[in-house]
Amino acid sequence: EAQVTQNPRYLITVTGKKLTVTCSQNMNHEYMSWYRQDPGLGLRQIYYSMNVEVTDKGDVPEGYKVSRKEKRNFPLILESPSPNQTSLYFCASSFVTRQGGGTEAFFGQGTRLTVV
Amino acid sequence: AQTVTQSQPEMSVQEAETVTLSCTYDTSESDYYLFWYKQPPSRQMILVIRQEAYKQQNATENRFSVNFQKAAKSFSLKISDSQLGDAAMYFCAYRSVEGGSEKLVFGKGMKLTVNP
Repeated sequence: EAQVTQNPRYLITVTGKKLTVTCSQNMNHEYMSWYRQDPGLGLRQIYYSMNVEVTDKGDVPEGYKVSRKEKRNFPLILESPSPNQTSLYFCASSFVTRQGGGTEAFFGQGTRLTVV
Repeated sequence: AQTVTQSQPEMSVQEAETVTLSCTYDTSESDYYLFWYKQPPSRQMILVIRQEAYKQQNATENRFSVNFQKAAKSFSLKISDSQLGDAAMYFCAYRSVEGGSEKLVFGKGMKLTVNP
């Protein structure tokens, strides 16, 4: 089954304790990205990657890191989480449109993160 | 930078009736994609319908259809014969093709309630 898998689904942590949210896709997509969803703000892009070892900042990158060492995986790292990073996080993947692939983004199930 | 605006934060519709969700966007690009995503209480992001900017014909998917007005930069979603399962948050999204980033930009979302 084609899917994007995020883990964990729920996470409560304390300020300053490093954490990683994993994301894996099995569709051989080149493009992967992370979003955070906050009430009244929609989904905002944190980081994206066009392919292995190619990453770039989105609209709200402060406080986050990513890496893309393998095509299928794109983990999101919070080195020192703060309460303002409490949010719902989504990983998404898709083909790169200009290379003739599909246009649809597939989303993971979401990770509800609470930083206290 | 591209922006997507959903001006109505909430709407309600009677079961079996028709409802139209509005979306406008701002861009200087000529080639792009537009999407409507549905987010039910399960939080999963589900693609409802997509539209390629270079296609003049409006996309349709069963009870869902769009009214794409490229010159007006408008992309509304019409849901016919509304069902209780249509109750969800709906997000309009724009995917850039030009410029290299292929960024997916979301509106702030609209909550649809379906009354029995």
